[in-house]
Amino acid sequence: AQSVTQLDSQVPVFEEAPVELRCNYSSSVSVYLFWYVQYPNQGLQLLLKYLSGSTLVKGINGFEAEFNKSQTSFHLRKPSVHISDTAEYFCAVSEMKTGSARQLTFGSGTQLTVLP
Amino acid sequence: EPEVTQTPSHQVTQMGQEVILRCVPISNHLYFYWYRQILGQKVEFLVSFYNNEISEKSEIFDDQFSVERPDGSNFTLKIRSTKLEDSAMYFCASTRSASTQYFGPGTRLTVL
Repeated sequence: AQSVTQLDSQVPVFEEAPVELRCNYSSSVSVYLFWYVQYPNQGLQLLLKYLSGSTLVKGINGFEAEFNKSQTSFHLRKPSVHISDTAEYFCAVSEMKTGSARQLTFGSGTQLTVLP
Repeated sequence: EPEVTQTPSHQVTQMGQEVILRCVPISNHLYFYWYRQILGQKVEFLVSFYNNEISEKSEIFDDQFSVERPDGSNFTLKIRSTKLEDSAMYFCASTRSASTQYFGPGTRLTVL
C-alpha cells in the first residue's frame, strides 16, 4: 500500500513570488507520481506526471516538479505565481504495476492562495 | 480535446433512495474508475473497472455500491440505499494505458 503526505494544508503567497508545494510518499514498490489541480467548483486537472526518465518534469501553466527517490519526494514548484494559480493542489501516486488498473492514492491537498 | 463527462452535476436525494451517477469516459480508454471526495477531505478511490469487470475496489465500496458499463460509452455508479455519509463529490476517471488517469468534472451528491 502507498501513502502520500502533503505537509502544508494552506500556502499563501504574493503574486509573482516563487512557490513550492511539498509532497512526500511512502511505498514498498516503485510508483508513478502525479500532481492534479482543482479550481473552485471544478474537477481534477492533470498538472504533470512522472512515469520514468528525467527526474525533473515540466507541466502546464509553468509548473514543474522534481522526483527525488532517496527522499521519496515529488515537490511542485513555480518560479512566479499568478492570481489565477489560486486552487487546491493534490499530489497522487500509483503503483508501477503492469496489466492492471492502478488506483491513485491522493494526498490531503494544499490550498494555494495567491495574494495581490 | 476529448474529455470525461459526468451527469448530473448535482444530485439531491433522500436517505434510503437509490441513485445512479453517470459517466462517459474518453472513447478509446480501457480502464475506468470512481473516486469520491467528502467535503474538506482527500480524494478516495472507490473502484476500478477493466474488461467488463471490477479490477479493484476499496473498503468503502461495499454491497451498497455497484458499477456497470451498460453500453460502449457509459459507465455508471449505483448506490442502492443512500446514507447521509454518502454525501460527497463523486469523480469518474478513465485511462487508456493504466498510467495517467483523466478525471471528469464530478457529481455532487447531497443526501438529506
